[in-house]
Amino acid sequence: EIVLTQSPATLSLSPGERATLSCRASQSVNNFLAWYQQKPGQAPRLLIYDASNRATGIPARFSGSGSGTDFTLTISSLEPEDFAIYYCQQRSNWPLFTFGPGTKVDIK
Amino acid sequence: EVQLVESGGGLVKPGGSLRLSCAASGFTFSAHTLNWVRQAPGKGLEWVSSISRSSTYIYYADSVKGRFTISRDNTNNSLHLQMNSLRGDDTAVYYCARDYYYDSNAYPDSWGQGTLVTVSS
Repeated sequence: EIVLTQSPATLSLSPGERATLSCRASQSVNNFLAWYQQKPGQAPRLLIYDASNRATGIPARFSGSGSGTDFTLTISSLEPEDFAIYYCQQRSNWPLFTFGPGTKVDIK
Repeated sequence: EVQLVESGGGLVKPGGSLRLSCAASGFTFSAHTLNWVRQAPGKGLEWVSSISRSSTYIYYADSVKGRFTISRDNTNNSLHLQMNSLRGDDTAVYYCARDYYYDSNAYPDSWGQGTLVTVSS
């Protein structure tokens, strides 16, 4: 089973700052990695698929990079609505998938 | 607009059963693999089960294998999850999610609002 770890667990930043979130896989997932945003009481929202492609309607301030085992989600300038929990998800053995434990981005 | 609406959650005793449903609209239901994903209170996301477009391929997480059964009705645009022998660690919000096919893979791009299942005596 592929295990995903995310760091840091919590990221405390101010609006306008840059956020860099990390996701590491226990073995290569090629580029079959997605990022989701979840706010309290809401379902997850797909942000990035195949490591670096923005999903429909996702603002350009969100970008993804990486391949193999190391991936990064970058939010170039935090907006108030970006404070949430972010999960990475691997899909290298479709249709099975696993999620990372999440990174909470909160207001400093 | 894609819509997924779960129902059927509630309070059930350990060892009991529950059947969740997900009503879909706004897209060609039979063209998409569908998934159940759950989230225990205050915890992360856990994949539960997936079913292919024509129900040919069905997969379960080890944690629910032998206890849960996924099914779909392409005539009525609905997805179901029959949950038997429920345990306390099955307590969670259960989401149905649609796979969307991108260039090289598929990812859940649309999710319902979730239905809460509480297993407690």
